[in-house]
Amino acid sequence: ETGVTQTPRHLVMGMTNKKSLKCEQHLGHNAMYWYKQSAKKPLELMFVYSLEERVENNSVPSRFSPECPNSSHLFLHLHTLQPEDSALYLCASSQDAGTDTQYFGPGTRLTVL
Amino acid sequence: KQEVTQIPAALSVPEGENLVLNCSFTDSAIYNLQWFRQDPGKGLTSLLLIQSSQREQTSGRLNASLDKSSGRSTLYIAASQPGDSATYLCAVRPAGYNFNKFYFGSGTKLNVKP
Repeated sequence: ETGVTQTPRHLVMGMTNKKSLKCEQHLGHNAMYWYKQSAKKPLELMFVYSLEERVENNSVPSRFSPECPNSSHLFLHLHTLQPEDSALYLCASSQDAGTDTQYFGPGTRLTVL
Repeated sequence: KQEVTQIPAALSVPEGENLVLNCSFTDSAIYNLQWFRQDPGKGLTSLLLIQSSQREQTSGRLNASLDKSSGRSTLYIAASQPGDSATYLCAVRPAGYNFNKFYFGSGTKLNVKP
């Protein structure tokens, strides 16, 4: 498999559930990103990881917990979410955190009931 | 905080037309500006990237211009085709960060009718 993959592609969860989103990149990149795309709002950067270290946490609520166990994998752990957290969550990677070109995955469509 | 605005929010044109998508940003201290295409279920694809020192970039039927002082960029699509139908996003990377910290516009949803 090539590029950036995300699983699951669709997720429906209740407010008390715990779930995780997974992102995997097969490009040999050193930086990975989580973005949130809500309806009628611009794409928002959530987290940036460079060489498995978090370099940006863009004022994201603690109910979103990222994890980067290695440079190829990125997780977003979800706990006690709110309906307004329903959105498309996109993962991206780049050669390095300062490299301009990012490659995006297809996203996970999350619905919180 | 940088704010990025895209006008129009949606656009429907017949095949073959030339069209212009607009992007404006509030802070001219940028590192670069990038245009993306977003297709449903397929994430984002980078189309053109303009560094702050550049005025324009071209790729095939696409031409992007940048006027940093006025906080504007345009994406010109020549001879539009139905396959160009997608949402086009403009993203600004501000100066002063050593990592990708893009601010995105809300996008222009383009429909090219056969």
